Amino acid sequence: DQQVKQNSPSLSVQEGRISILNCDYTNSMFDYFLWYKKYPAEGPTFLISISSIKDKNEDGRFTVFLNKSAKHLSLHIVPSQPGDSAVYFCAASEKTSYDKVIFGPGTSLSVIP
Amino acid sequence: NAGVMQNPRHLVRRRGQEARLRCSPMKGHSHVYWYRQLPEEGLKFMVYLQKENIIDESGMPKERFSAEFPKEGPSILRIQQVVRGDSAAYFCASSPRLAGGPAEQFFGPGTRLTVL
Repeated sequence: DQQVKQNSPSLSVQEGRISILNCDYTNSMFDYFLWYKKYPAEGPTFLISISSIKDKNEDGRFTVFLNKSAKHLSLHIVPSQPGDSAVYFCAASEKTSYDKVIFGPGTSLSVIP
Repeated sequence: NAGVMQNPRHLVRRRGQEARLRCSPMKGHSHVYWYRQLPEEGLKFMVYLQKENIIDESGMPKERFSAEFPKEGPSILRIQQVVRGDSAAYFCASSPRLAGGPAEQFFGPGTRLTVL
């Protein structure tokens, strides 16, 4: 029973173009959404988050969009850089249990120079 | 300010042995979380602890797994009588856990457990 889904295991993008990573969720109680980035042999690092009361949050090259009615969020990276090549995890938590973060399976992004 | 520390980074055990994984949270963080990542899967929540208290262990297998976060020293994830299916990367995270809303979790580099 996967509550957070990332249906694209991998994505390749040219340097300078936009990367769009998608995430779907099934639990309507999710209230807070996060994106983490992970390099091989390292732990995940927090990238950006969004509360359910918003539909967009922007931080530099990274923007997260939330569509609550569709239970869908996406991460946009513009412009993509080779250093962005990593595995990106979508994650979510409920208001009653912010500490219990549920992760998706991840999307491996390759940015081609 | 050192990040979350985990040791060992790699641990090899034979079936039936015990595995002990250690996690030292970031300075000032009183909340620790353990996650497991199986091959080709995302991170799965296991347990959330404060000092001397288990807050949520809903993701922990019912048998052989235990976790503690003593008043002094690191948090320990203990796996007794390991089986091959326990082979995975185990990540620890810590958080300052501000009152009220969500707080970012900072992850350690992980311990990769291999059971022969």
